[in-house]
Amino acid sequence: AQSVTQLGSHVSVSEGALVLLRCNYSSSVPPYLFWYVQYPNQGLQLLLKYTTGATLVKGINGFEAEFKKSETSFHLTKPSAHMSDAAEYFCAVSGGAQKLVFGQGTRLTINP
Amino acid sequence: EAGVTQFPSHSVIEKGQTVTLRCDPISGHDNLYWYRRVMGKEIKFLLHFVKESKQDESGMPNNRFLAERTGGTYSTLKVQPAELEDSGVYFCASSQAAKFRGFEAFFGQGTRLTVV
Repeated sequence: AQSVTQLGSHVSVSEGALVLLRCNYSSSVPPYLFWYVQYPNQGLQLLLKYTTGATLVKGINGFEAEFKKSETSFHLTKPSAHMSDAAEYFCAVSGGAQKLVFGQGTRLTINP
Repeated sequence: EAGVTQFPSHSVIEKGQTVTLRCDPISGHDNLYWYRRVMGKEIKFLLHFVKESKQDESGMPNNRFLAERTGGTYSTLKVQPAELEDSGVYFCASSQAAKFRGFEAFFGQGTRLTVV
């Protein structure tokens, strides 16, 4: 079975500051990991994913995430926040079947 | 290329009524998924179609929910009769045939269902 825990339902950072959204997972099989973003009034959009290979994954809009097996983590980072990054972010894991198990989501607010 | 389309975008119905949600996947995508997010909770898997066949319906909450995908194109999700706890956002997603689990699922904007 798989599960995902996102630490912090709300995160607030200043424009230009580092963004760090935390995600820990549990999986009985080697995990495939995803980060999705939902902007207001839009659907979920894939930011990045880890399948196999390089553990540091780069995505769209300057985001990246690092798969750390020893820590069962897949935290999302961006060096410098922009106002346009305000959205809700979801971490998800894919287990043995073609379905995603999501965390509860983290709403990111950017302060000017 | 058109994305995943869902309608209606919003629906408000009374308890006991019937509602049908529709999803048009990306053309050529064999896999179609339904997910639901109840207020404040995580997004949860409902079911997965491969073409017109139900591959996995382990997430369907009860027999008041009926999903169909006739002809392997669009899909409908019917709730009959609706209960208050069915309120939430229903997402549809689609993906191409995948040989591994690292598939990319493309999501629609969701249908916000409110049962009053």
